[in-house]
Amino acid sequence: DTAVSQTPKYLVTQMGNDKSIKCEQNLGHDTMYWYKQDSKKFLKIMFSYNNKELIINETVPNRFSPKSPDKAHLNLHINSLELGDSAVYFCASSREDERWGTGGSPLHFGNGTRLTVT
Amino acid sequence: AQTVTQSQPEMSVQEAETVTLSCTYDTSENNYYLFWYKQPPSRQMILVIRQEAYKQQNATENRFSVNFQKAAKSFSLKISDSQLGDTAMYFCAFMTYNTDKLIFGTGTRLQVFP
Repeated sequence: DTAVSQTPKYLVTQMGNDKSIKCEQNLGHDTMYWYKQDSKKFLKIMFSYNNKELIINETVPNRFSPKSPDKAHLNLHINSLELGDSAVYFCASSREDERWGTGGSPLHFGNGTRLTVT
Repeated sequence: AQTVTQSQPEMSVQEAETVTLSCTYDTSENNYYLFWYKQPPSRQMILVIRQEAYKQQNATENRFSVNFQKAAKSFSLKISDSQLGDTAMYFCAFMTYNTDKLIFGTGTRLQVFP
């Protein structure tokens, strides 16, 4: 199936640990993203990569480090996890659409990873 | 800075009826894009409909249509013939031209009753 897939689906860990979330898309898209959805369901962008190059880096603690080994993968590594990091993390991808020009291309989201820090 | 506001935290509608979800946004840009995404209990984010700001014609996708009022910076979603499967969180989102940054509203939880 063509999709954006992220693993794991659920992640429970203790404060202070380091964890990674993996994301892969087989849609041939150029741009990949990480979004965070907090307990109030608010979604906010964290990072975006275009062809392995960091494009957007919102005000995110440097404990969060995205890594893009190739344009089909964008992993999120989190160091020294804190209680406030508990959230659902969504990976997404998009491609430049000739009809829409740069931007405006809809994002295709993965199913999210629910991270719980205890 | 661009902001997106959804003033209705929760809405409910009876099956087969019509419901309208409100969204307003604030921007100084002239070229941009607007989206509605649906998030059912499965947590997946699904694109419902999108609109280019330079187009006056309102977008439609089957039972979903928008009322885009650029001067008022309003982008409401109308769901006709509501179905039980429409039960979900609905997010309005904004993207400036020439960026890939999608800015979301706080969402409206829609419950469709039989």
